[in-house]
Amino acid sequence: GIQVEQSPPDLILQEGANSTLRCNFSDSVNNLQWFHQNPWGQLINLFYIPSGTKQNGRLSATTVATERYSLLYISSSQTTDSGVYFCAVVWGGGADGLTFGKGTHLIIQP
Amino acid sequence: DAGVIQSPRHEVTEMGQEVTLRCKPISGHNSLFWYRQTMMRGLELLIYFNNNVPIDDSGMPEDRFSAKMPNASFSTLKIQPSEPRDSAVYFCASSLYREETQYFGPGTRLLVL
Repeated sequence: GIQVEQSPPDLILQEGANSTLRCNFSDSVNNLQWFHQNPWGQLINLFYIPSGTKQNGRLSATTVATERYSLLYISSSQTTDSGVYFCAVVWGGGADGLTFGKGTHLIIQP
Repeated sequence: DAGVIQSPRHEVTEMGQEVTLRCKPISGHNSLFWYRQTMMRGLELLIYFNNNVPIDDSGMPEDRFSAKMPNASFSTLKIQPSEPRDSAVYFCASSLYREETQYFGPGTRLLVL
């Protein structure tokens, strides 16, 4: 199967700081999504981004499929950004379910 | 749209009991997925359906687990008999087509005593 690695595993920042989260994957993908799991456990879609760049407010993401990585940028962090950020992919050589990374646990301090 | 709906949101049961989790996908979506989240294994795919047909159940841990999708608007995940190691959060997700954006429900938090 495909391997998905996220870094860093943990990140503590002050409110207002910027951050970059990374996702590396070991094979070709047909789908790549970024999720935010909030403290209540909900998985919130951030981006569907198998390739290219997208932006949504303070968040943006870039996937370079040929080099097998994706980046999630968070600018001007707010305390509500705290939680776990997951990268998940659909392997190009397998079934259509998502394979998740272990996540980046982000804490934004006031 | 109401999004993906799951019930119950919380379930506490005793070992050996049957547990049934329910999911209503987003209307018009053709693919439905069941995932499980545990501290040890993270988020993992259990089974997925396309047009109500099970396509890949290789993630179902044991024969104690079964899933059905009798129609386009309803799916169940059943555990019989349940064991303490089944304690986890079970998520249902749906997508318009295979490989499209998957939208997750709020999850069912299961505790087996």
